[in-house]
Amino acid sequence: DVQMTQSPSYLAASPGESVSISCKASKSINTYLAWYQEKPGKTNKLLIYSGSTLQSGTPSRFSGSGSGTDFTLTIRSLEPEDFAVYYCQQHNEYPFTFGSGTKLEIK
Amino acid sequence: QVQMKETGPGLVQTTQTLSVTCTVSGFSLTSYGVHWVRQAPGKGLEWMGIIWGDGSTNYNSALKSRLSISRDTSKSQVFLTMNSLQTDDTAVYYCAANVYYGLLDYWGQGVMVTVSS
Repeated sequence: DVQMTQSPSYLAASPGESVSISCKASKSINTYLAWYQEKPGKTNKLLIYSGSTLQSGTPSRFSGSGSGTDFTLTIRSLEPEDFAVYYCQQHNEYPFTFGSGTKLEIK
Repeated sequence: QVQMKETGPGLVQTTQTLSVTCTVSGFSLTSYGVHWVRQAPGKGLEWMGIIWGDGSTNYNSALKSRLSISRDTSKSQVFLTMNSLQTDDTAVYYCAANVYYGLLDYWGQGVMVTVSS
């Protein structure tokens, strides 16, 4: 199975700041990498797919980059609604696998 | 709009069989696939399997011997069945619609299932 190593597992930041989350695959997954947001009381939301393509409705302050084994999610100018848990997921091969998650909290 | 809703038993005894239903709206099951994902307490997300729009399925090999995913297109329902349950199958079970290959485009709220002896 492709192991997805996500870091950090916890991140504290203030509104207005920028943050980055890393996701590393144990083998090349081309650009078959997606990012999801989890918030209490809401359904999980697909933010980015193909490594860097914003899903419809995702604010432009979110961006994704990377290919092969190394990927990054960056959020510029954090808004209060961005404090959540973020997961990466590879869909290059079965079984599809997820990173362990990054909890982004308000400092 | 696309909506997904899971329903399940809440509590299941060890060694028994789990059945969870995902009722979808806003699309046809012959157009989009449906994933099943679970999350044990304090753990990460585990992909379980998918039923594609053509009715074919793919499973996580770690669960394949115990897992079955099926559907009733007339009722817009997808079914997860898993046998020989153990306490470590305790988790929130999610269904999610697949629009683009392998993505989980729309998620349900999830249903908590506790396996107890």
